[in-house]
Amino acid sequence: DQQVKQNSPSLSVQEGRISILNCDYTNSMFDYFLWYKKYPAEGPTFLISISSIKDKNEDGRFTVLLNKSAKHLSLHIVPSQPGDSAVYFCAAKLAGSNYKLTFGKGTLLTVNP
Amino acid sequence: DAGVIQSPRHEVTEMGQEVTLRCKPISGHDYLFWYRQTMMRGLELLIYFNNNVPIDDSGMPEDRFSAKMPNASFSTLKIQPSEPRDSAVYFCASRVQGAISGNTIYFGEGSWLTVV
Repeated sequence: DQQVKQNSPSLSVQEGRISILNCDYTNSMFDYFLWYKKYPAEGPTFLISISSIKDKNEDGRFTVLLNKSAKHLSLHIVPSQPGDSAVYFCAAKLAGSNYKLTFGKGTLLTVNP
Repeated sequence: DAGVIQSPRHEVTEMGQEVTLRCKPISGHDYLFWYRQTMMRGLELLIYFNNNVPIDDSGMPEDRFSAKMPNASFSTLKIQPSEPRDSAVYFCASRVQGAISGNTIYFGEGSWLTVV
């Protein structure tokens, strides 16, 4: 039973436009959410995170929005660049569990020049 | 500074054979994680260690899988006997205690396992 769901396996966006990647979760005990980026033949790398006490976090071109009532978070990339093309994983941490992350299946983002 | 080092990068083995995957965490990191990535299930946590002690192995799929961490700089994930459904990418990751956010979890490049 997937507690973290990324329902879009893939997303294609034009360079310069906004990319929006979505993630839904079912467990209300998650208190911290993270996005990881993964290039082919490499391990995932941390991108941005958000605590459940916040609803927005920004870091340069990347913004994560959290809607707790809907159990939904999204990653916004603007403007999108070809180098952003990668698989993006949403992950969540249970309250009281500092280090055990539950990942979604990932969304492949392709940014076309 | 070297990152998490995994070996082998690629392994092709026949069903029934024993497979051993190896990991060297980042020096000074006291948490080590083994993840498996498949198309069907995405990234799953198999087991994690703190100070070389297994903390949670609830993600280990079955008794054919075992993991050890004999010292702070080395861990193994063993599959015996291997089956075709074990084909996946296995990631090792490490982090240092005390960090609140997840940005100190460092992943290795993964070991691509194919069981034929």
